[in-house]
Amino acid sequence: AQSVAQPEDQVNVAEGNPLTVKCTYSVSGNPYLFWYVQYPNRGLQFLLKYITGDNLVKGSYGFEAEFNKSQTSFHLKKPSALVSDSALYFCAVSGYSSASKIIFGSGTRLSIRP
Amino acid sequence: SQTIHQWPATLVQPVGSPLSLECTVEGTSNPNLYWYRQAAGRGLQLLFYSVGIGQISSEVPQNLSASRPQDRQFILSSKKLLLSDSGFYLCAWSATGNGYSPLHFGNGTRLTVT
Repeated sequence: AQSVAQPEDQVNVAEGNPLTVKCTYSVSGNPYLFWYVQYPNRGLQFLLKYITGDNLVKGSYGFEAEFNKSQTSFHLKKPSALVSDSALYFCAVSGYSSASKIIFGSGTRLSIRP
Repeated sequence: SQTIHQWPATLVQPVGSPLSLECTVEGTSNPNLYWYRQAAGRGLQLLFYSVGIGQISSEVPQNLSASRPQDRQFILSSKKLLLSDSGFYLCAWSATGNGYSPLHFGNGTRLTVT
């Protein structure tokens, strides 16, 4: 069975500092991994995905994520945080068998202080 | 470009009343369509998904139902709402039935059952 874990409910970072939002996964076979962001009272927005190839994936708004197969992790990163990055972030995983089985993590609230 | 429309944005309904939430997608054909519920601003629960007209799969037994009368229209319904049906309902689409197509979400409907 597929699963994804976001071990931190909240991450607090000062503006200008690097940020990391953690995600680990469990899936049979090769994983497809995603990060989404949600602003208050809005739907989720797709940030980036890993399918295959380079372990470092670049996405929207300066975010990137690193796929680590041995640690089954897909952490979201940004070199320099902005106050506008404050939002709820979701990691998601799926396998090839069916797009309907996209499993989301519980979300991590990112708070960037000025 | 593809767009997804979801309405209404907010809804307050009494217990026992019916429900109809509508979602439409523009700019694509044969999308996979999904209904999710998000409780307390956190995790996403997949309620229904559809791979084609009239094809609905239910992930969680409940008093809700879904229909897909047209290729790009997805409707979430209930005959009698319960207090526990309150939440943030999100419609989403993906391009194909494989696991690496990201989901694209509407802006959601916040339902309060009183």
